[in-house]
Amino acid sequence: DTAVSQTPKYLVTQMGNDKSIKCEQNLGHDTMYWYKQDSKKFLKIMFSYNNKELIINETVPNRFSPKSPDKAHLNLHINSLELGDSAVYFCASSQGGLVIDTQYFGPGTRLTVL
Amino acid sequence: AQSVTQPDIHITVSEGASLELRCNYSYGATPYLFWYVQSPGQGLQLLLKYFSGDTLVQGIKGFEAEFKRSQSSFNLRKPSVHWSDAAEYFCAVGLHNTGTASKLTFGTGTRLQVTL
Repeated sequence: DTAVSQTPKYLVTQMGNDKSIKCEQNLGHDTMYWYKQDSKKFLKIMFSYNNKELIINETVPNRFSPKSPDKAHLNLHINSLELGDSAVYFCASSQGGLVIDTQYFGPGTRLTVL
Repeated sequence: AQSVTQPDIHITVSEGASLELRCNYSYGATPYLFWYVQSPGQGLQLLLKYFSGDTLVQGIKGFEAEFKRSQSSFNLRKPSVHWSDAAEYFCAVGLHNTGTASKLTFGTGTRLQVTL
């Protein structure tokens, strides 16, 4: 069984569109994350939720809005997509929010904005 | 703010040869250090982590890493590389914020190529 899953795996869209990426974890973890990996493989955290509550919100444009309907899901909605949003987006989860809690990553969603 | 430097963007080794991937960190306090591996088209998988205690840490898949405070380094090693080790390797430093979630700061990665 997949521990952290993301849909879709690939997403190609036009500038200005709105899109969502879904993430689900079946590990029973309390904390979930969204990371962005750019074309140079640089990985940077965007958001973190603990028990559906937003606890980390890095410097991310307001066009990005995470939503956590329950502990097992953390979706990422992006409005008015721009070329610079093209990247691989990774979802991750951990048992708690402590640094010692291992983060488990999903397979990633490759977003291409044309 | 903490930062991580991986000086080598790309390394090629022969199968069976030893491997060392370099990682240097900048952090004001005792760091929490991690190595992750990303296989092509996959998410990241934790290889090992260091919090305290023995400075030589054993991980999965035969990897180990040594924390050297004097050099601000946490280099990853493997005695004998297998072709399946070809992947991207990321070093990360963790910052724990009391009352909030931890944050990992990643290096830019080292791509390992293994020749047969």
